[in-house]
Amino acid sequence: EAQVTQNPRYLITVTGKKLTVTCSQNMNHEYMSWYRQDPGLGLRQIYYSMNVEVTDKGDVPEGYKVSRKEKRNFPLILESPSPNQTSLYFCASSFSGTGDYNEQFFGPGTRLTVL
Amino acid sequence: AQSVTQLDSHVSVSEGTPVLLRCNYSSSYSPSLFWYVQHPNKGLQLLLKYTSAATLVKGINGFEAEFKKSETSFHLTKPSAHMSDAAEYFCVVSERGRGGGNKLTFGTGTQLKVEL
Repeated sequence: EAQVTQNPRYLITVTGKKLTVTCSQNMNHEYMSWYRQDPGLGLRQIYYSMNVEVTDKGDVPEGYKVSRKEKRNFPLILESPSPNQTSLYFCASSFSGTGDYNEQFFGPGTRLTVL
Repeated sequence: AQSVTQLDSHVSVSEGTPVLLRCNYSSSYSPSLFWYVQHPNKGLQLLLKYTSAATLVKGINGFEAEFKKSETSFHLTKPSAHMSDAAEYFCVVSERGRGGGNKLTFGTGTQLKVEL
């Protein structure tokens, strides 16, 4: 089944404790992206990747890191989480980062709470 | 810069009555436009997309949207609401970003409630 998977689905942590949220897709998509969803703000892009080893900042990149060493994986790293990073996080992928046929497929989400 | 405005944060309809979720956009170029739906505790699912082929776009589950360039609108409609339509709906605009790739901008969402 074609899908985007994220792990963990739920995470409660404390301020300053480094964490990684994994994202994997099995559709051979070039483009991957991370979003955070907060009430009343919709989804905001954190980072995106056009292809392996090509990443760039989205609208809200502060406090996050990413890497794209393999085409299928795009982990999100919080080196020193803070309470304002408590949010619902979505990973997404699409066949290409350009062109009209850039429908994004979303993972199920990771709910992160930073105490 | 592109932007999306969803005019209603909450919409409530009775089952069997029409649904109208309003979306206005701002874009420098000819954008691609999407509607996504998010059911409780689920990820986002694509309902439909506009990519300049036709102004009236049909999607899944009986939803459709009409692109009106003169009004910069892309409202989502359904003739008859079903209880299973209760969810949050996001209007999304896509255009070329500064890095060369497509940049998606999401609206703030419309929560649709369907009552018996």
